[in-house]
Amino acid sequence: GAGVSQSPRYKVAKRGQDVALRCDPISGHVSLFWYQQALGQGPEFLTYFQNEAQLDKSGLPSDRFFAERPEGSVSTLKIQRTQQEDSAVYLCASSLSAEQYFGPGTRLTVT
Amino acid sequence: GIQVEQSPPDLILQEGANSTLRCNFSDSVNNLQWFHQNPWGQLINLFYIPSGTKQNGRLSATTVATERYSLLYISSSQTTDSGVYFCAVKDYGQNFVFGPGTRLSVLP
Repeated sequence: GAGVSQSPRYKVAKRGQDVALRCDPISGHVSLFWYQQALGQGPEFLTYFQNEAQLDKSGLPSDRFFAERPEGSVSTLKIQRTQQEDSAVYLCASSLSAEQYFGPGTRLTVT
Repeated sequence: GIQVEQSPPDLILQEGANSTLRCNFSDSVNNLQWFHQNPWGQLINLFYIPSGTKQNGRLSATTVATERYSLLYISSSQTTDSGVYFCAVKDYGQNFVFGPGTRLSVLP
């Protein structure tokens, strides 16, 4: 079946703008994860959902970051008042049991 | 939290050569995955291997959980193997921690 999809693939935002990044997990996958990957580094955990419940948001860097998954499927990561340090690739992964499958990511550039 | 180290940080090979990539972790894990991040940024699953040995074509992996390390073997390397290889581990929570990666370049 289809893998994890993310949109948009690229986003350029001016500093101070709000952005919304979308993740469509693999159908039937209960768990959904968001990661942030800075240039030249490994992905870093942001937040985790099991169905619609956000069980861990310990990795969100500030209260400008907000994630939701209202119907337990599609998830949106929202960043308010973007800043230059938010520039990164945002990766979404989904999982049915233990193994995680990643989407292609959204590359966010804040100018 | 759990710490993950990978070595070497960079590796340059001639096509056809073999290589071993290492992942060390600081605590007990119940999940370990190896990924290949291709030049377009896509993370491709290679192995889910919390313990034991697995093989898939030219790639194989071994995790010795009691000694807190995992090895990824690449044989007869090809230029398409180039990219960054990540080890990621999870303790008994849900937080997945990635290592810093090994950047592999395979030259024709």
